[in-house]
Amino acid sequence: DQQVKQNSPSLSVQEGRISILNCDYTNSMFDYFLWYKKYPAEGPTFLISISSIKDKNEDGRFTVFLNKSAKHLSLHIVPSQPGDSAVYFCAASEIQGAQKLVFGQGTRLTINP
Amino acid sequence: NAGVMQNPRHLVRRRGQEARLRCSPMKGHSHVYWYRQLPEEGLKFMVYLQKENIIDESGMPKERFSAEFPKEGPSILRIQQVVRGDSAAYFCASSPGQGINPRYFGPGTRLTVT
Repeated sequence: DQQVKQNSPSLSVQEGRISILNCDYTNSMFDYFLWYKKYPAEGPTFLISISSIKDKNEDGRFTVFLNKSAKHLSLHIVPSQPGDSAVYFCAASEIQGAQKLVFGQGTRLTINP
Repeated sequence: NAGVMQNPRHLVRRRGQEARLRCSPMKGHSHVYWYRQLPEEGLKFMVYLQKENIIDESGMPKERFSAEFPKEGPSILRIQQVVRGDSAAYFCASSPGQGINPRYFGPGTRLTVT
C-alpha cells in the first residue's frame, strides 16, 4: 500500500532549465510534506517543506507547490544546476514534527550540461 | 547528513547470523530514528527512540528486530537470525527533541545477507 508515490523514477533536464518533480499521495490525513535530496553514498538531506495550510513555499531556487484537492505536490528547481543531480524523495506526515514520515520511492534527477 | 554517523557502512552476514548496526546522532541530539530502504522502494519508518526509551516502534517487524539507545554510546539496531529479505539499506537520523522532523540522515548501512 504505497501512500506516497513518485511515478517518475528518473528525470533528465538541461542545465539552466526548470526541473519539476512530482509526488502524489492517497492518505487524506497527511498534513505536512517534505522533500529530501540524496547523493550517492550519502543519507537524505532535508530540502524544503510545506504545511497543508499553504499552497506554495519558496526557498531560493526551490519551490514546492501543494494541491490538496488533487493530493499532489511538486518541487520546482529553477534554474537547474549540475549539483542538483541527485535522488529526490518526497515524504508526508500527519502533523509537522511527527516522528513517522512516509516516503515516496524517489526520482533520480540528472542535470545535463 | 553532517554529523550523523553510521557504522559499518557495509555489512555482509550469512543467513542465521546476527547483524548489529550503529548510529551516533548529531552532537546535542537526543532522539534517533531508524528507517529501512528496500531495493526500488522509499525509506520506511522502523523505530523512534529517545535516550533509554523507545517512543514508537510501530514500524519494526515483530520478531528478530530490536533497537536501543542507551544513556551513553550509539543507538543500536539489532537483527537476529538474519534472512535474505533483511538485505537493505538502513538509515538513521537524529533530532534535538520531539516534534522536530529530522533534517539529516546518516550515510546508511548496506546489509547484505548471503
